[in-house]
Amino acid sequence: AQTVTQSQPEMSVQEAETVTLSCTYDTSESDYYLFWYKQPPSRQMILVIRQEAYKQQNATENRFSVNFQKAAKSFSLKISDSQLGDAAMYFCAYRSAGTQGGSEKLVFGKGTKLTVNP
Amino acid sequence: EPEVTQTPSHQVTQMGQEVILRCVPISNHLYFYWYRQILGQKVEFLVSFYNNEISEKSEIFDDQFSVERPDGSNFTLKIRSTKLEDSAMYFCASSGDSLAKNIQYFGAGTRLSVL
Repeated sequence: AQTVTQSQPEMSVQEAETVTLSCTYDTSESDYYLFWYKQPPSRQMILVIRQEAYKQQNATENRFSVNFQKAAKSFSLKISDSQLGDAAMYFCAYRSAGTQGGSEKLVFGKGTKLTVNP
Repeated sequence: EPEVTQTPSHQVTQMGQEVILRCVPISNHLYFYWYRQILGQKVEFLVSFYNNEISEKSEIFDDQFSVERPDGSNFTLKIRSTKLEDSAMYFCASSGDSLAKNIQYFGAGTRLSVL
């Protein structure tokens, strides 16, 4: 079974600075997707960024980018120019691509609580 | 922008009572999911639903749970006899056709409190 590990329960960053959240995962599959979801105090899960495992290029969405290291099974999220509105729980999630009969469910890590200091 | 809608936002019930949590997925989506998050813990998969049947369920999804798509728009989760440990945030998610099915969009959740 796949597992996702987020080793940083809490992180803090100064407004306008850069922060990196770590995520590692364990799988025997070669084809899969990785996601970062943001959960603000409202508790809604909001997709931040997605990475396909077959793509070597790291995904980028505005101030959010990932460092995807497939061999190391690492998928970190970098937030540049941090804003107060970035304060939230961030969850890393794994999903099989389903090409090898894998599950479609998302497997989540335990989350990292990000605080942004003004 | 289309979104997944969940009602109610907060449900309070007595232990042993039945509850139905409702979800309206994004209109052209084909795959539907329920997850739950006990306070302070990670989000856990409960069940996935496609083509009017369950495609996968977790160990949590026992006989007390059921899902239904009663019409073309709603997707419901029923808990027949609630227990204290069912208190959690329940999230509905949906994803699209085969090209976009890997992205699951979540609703705002229903907070279930079992007293």
